[in-house]
Amino acid sequence: DTEVTQTPKHLVMGMTNKKSLKCEQHMGHRAMYWYKQKAKKPPELMFVYSYEKLSINESVPSRFSPECPNSSLLNLHLHALQPEDSALYLCASSQEISRVETGELFFGEGSRLTVL
Amino acid sequence: DQQVKQNSPSLSVQEGRISILNCDYTNSMFDYFLWYKKYPAEGPTFLISISSIKDKNEDGRFTVFLNKSAKHLSLHIVPSQPGDSAVYFCAATSNTGKLIFGQGTTLQVKP
Repeated sequence: DTEVTQTPKHLVMGMTNKKSLKCEQHMGHRAMYWYKQKAKKPPELMFVYSYEKLSINESVPSRFSPECPNSSLLNLHLHALQPEDSALYLCASSQEISRVETGELFFGEGSRLTVL
Repeated sequence: DQQVKQNSPSLSVQEGRISILNCDYTNSMFDYFLWYKKYPAEGPTFLISISSIKDKNEDGRFTVFLNKSAKHLSLHIVPSQPGDSAVYFCAATSNTGKLIFGQGTTLQVKP
């Protein structure tokens, strides 16, 4: 199983809503990532978890709140978002952070978020 | 401040010919460079990588060349096939777990 599964695939929410994006992998990977990709732009790193601890936060606004309940799951809690937060949110995982170098970073299909 | 740049948004080639995708970077601390391929409605998938201590890496139809003095790398696909049509992202990392992506180049291979 080399899959990273993201749910939901599509999410529409209002600026006052609270919602969550979920990511799951069963490859035994200990590093998990959230990336954000806007239209015609490259994916941009948001957060990295290593061994269930937050390792990197790329100065992401607090309206995005990551959570890693266990080594297989990664959530992104969303609250009071703005329309400009509409984007494709990609989850990824790797065996260890260092494995990113050799391309062993597996991406999910993404969750497309629209904020009205 | 874009540390990884792909200056060609799109490229169109004929099936069977060579596709050359280019990428420039500014950060000399990068120690690995990677190419990812992305189809619509899918996440990026890894294609090939190269260490900064090498100047070439080959995997089947895909070859990546690195010119450290010019801070430039390129991906050669030969022969190109219609199934290669996708967005190609160049990426770089410096052993921090952070992968910095370029803007992407959309490759169209015409039958």
